[in-house]
Amino acid sequence: TQLLEQSPQFLSIQEGENLTVYCNSSSVFSSLQWYRQEPGEGPVLLVTVVTGGEVKKLKRLTFQFGDARKDSSLHITAAQPGDTGLYLCAGANTGKLIFGQGTTLQVKP
Amino acid sequence: DSGVTQTPKHLITATGQRVTLRCSPRSGDLSVYWYQQSLDQGLQFLIQYYNGEERAKGNILERFSAQQFPDLHSELNLSSLELGDSALYFCASSVTSGTYTEAFFGQGTRLTVV
Repeated sequence: TQLLEQSPQFLSIQEGENLTVYCNSSSVFSSLQWYRQEPGEGPVLLVTVVTGGEVKKLKRLTFQFGDARKDSSLHITAAQPGDTGLYLCAGANTGKLIFGQGTTLQVKP
Repeated sequence: DSGVTQTPKHLITATGQRVTLRCSPRSGDLSVYWYQQSLDQGLQFLIQYYNGEERAKGNILERFSAQQFPDLHSELNLSSLELGDSALYFCASSVTSGTYTEAFFGQGTRLTVV
């Protein structure tokens, strides 16, 4: 069974702080995606990484795919209250899109 | 707006009943995925269809079934409902099926079994 483990599960920080969320697996994925979900809404795709070692930036968010394509990280610089939400990583392989349990981020003003 | 439409948005029903959830994918997307999200279980993959055919199966109960129709919309049927089936059910669609899959999610159907 392919599993994606995210850490930490919960994170509460002050506005302006930096943070990193990790997504780890023992399996290799063809691609890995990060989503953000707000309460009562569906997850929204932030980024897809495909190549081992790949780094993508989306404003204050930096995403990295591990060299072996088994893990990924999401780094947020100078977090803002608008970044509050559930961050999910998802790995794609053989037609399935498997999600991690998510990291709940709260950014306090 | 992701372009994926799910109906109904809310559903309240009694134990033992059967319900049908409907999903219309984004225009041009051939793949449809169904997920169940509950507070203690995260986003659980149920099943995937590609162009009308079942492509992948996850932790879907035997009481649950799904299909994708020729117009590519999909339905998820849940029968003999139990209290534990209360959850958010999401449908997602994507253009491709396979290694490079970017899914776009609907707003979900919140099912409450009483």
